[in-house]
Amino acid sequence: DQQVKQNSPSLSVQEGRISILNCDYTNSMFDYFLWYKKYPAEGPTFLISISSIKDKNEDGRFTVFLNKSAKHLSLHIVPSQPGDSAVYFCAASAGTGNQFYFGTGTSLTVIP
Amino acid sequence: DTGVSQDPRHKITKRGQNVTFRCDPISEHNRLYWYRQTLGQGPEFLTYFQNEAQLEKSRLLSDRFSAERPKGSFSTLEIQRTEQGDSAMYLCASSLGHGLAYEQYFGPGTRLTVT
Repeated sequence: DQQVKQNSPSLSVQEGRISILNCDYTNSMFDYFLWYKKYPAEGPTFLISISSIKDKNEDGRFTVFLNKSAKHLSLHIVPSQPGDSAVYFCAASAGTGNQFYFGTGTSLTVIP
Repeated sequence: DTGVSQDPRHKITKRGQNVTFRCDPISEHNRLYWYRQTLGQGPEFLTYFQNEAQLEKSRLLSDRFSAERPKGSFSTLEIQRTEQGDSAMYLCASSLGHGLAYEQYFGPGTRLTVT
């Protein structure tokens, strides 16, 4: 049973525009969420995280929004750059982060 | 380089053989995780260690899989009697594991191909 879902396998955005990647989860016990970026032949790279006590966390061009009532989080990248082209995974955990559940990923292509 | 390292990067083995992978975490990280990733999927949790103690193991993990972290530093993941279904990327990650510092830092992975 997939507890974390990324329903868009791919997304294309023009350079300079906003990229919005979405993630839904089913387990109401999840209270910590992370986004990772993955380039081919490399392991995932941590991008940004958010705790359930917040609804927004910002780090430079990256902002994560959490809507607990909808069990939905999103990653906004503004402005998008060609180097942002990668696969993005969201992940969630309950409690002290013992086990993280990952979505299936969204492949972002930023077109120059 | 102070990141997570994994060895080997690639492993091709025949069905029925045993394989062992090594992971060296970031030195000050006391948590170490193993994941498996297949094509088109996200990383799937296998097991994790807090220092040398193995605290959690996925119910999906076959008895053919065993992991150790004997001195709380590097870890090994062994797969016995490999099957073609074991072909995947095996990822290791580490984290500080206290406060809110649960961000996991991943190594480059070991790609296993079972023929």
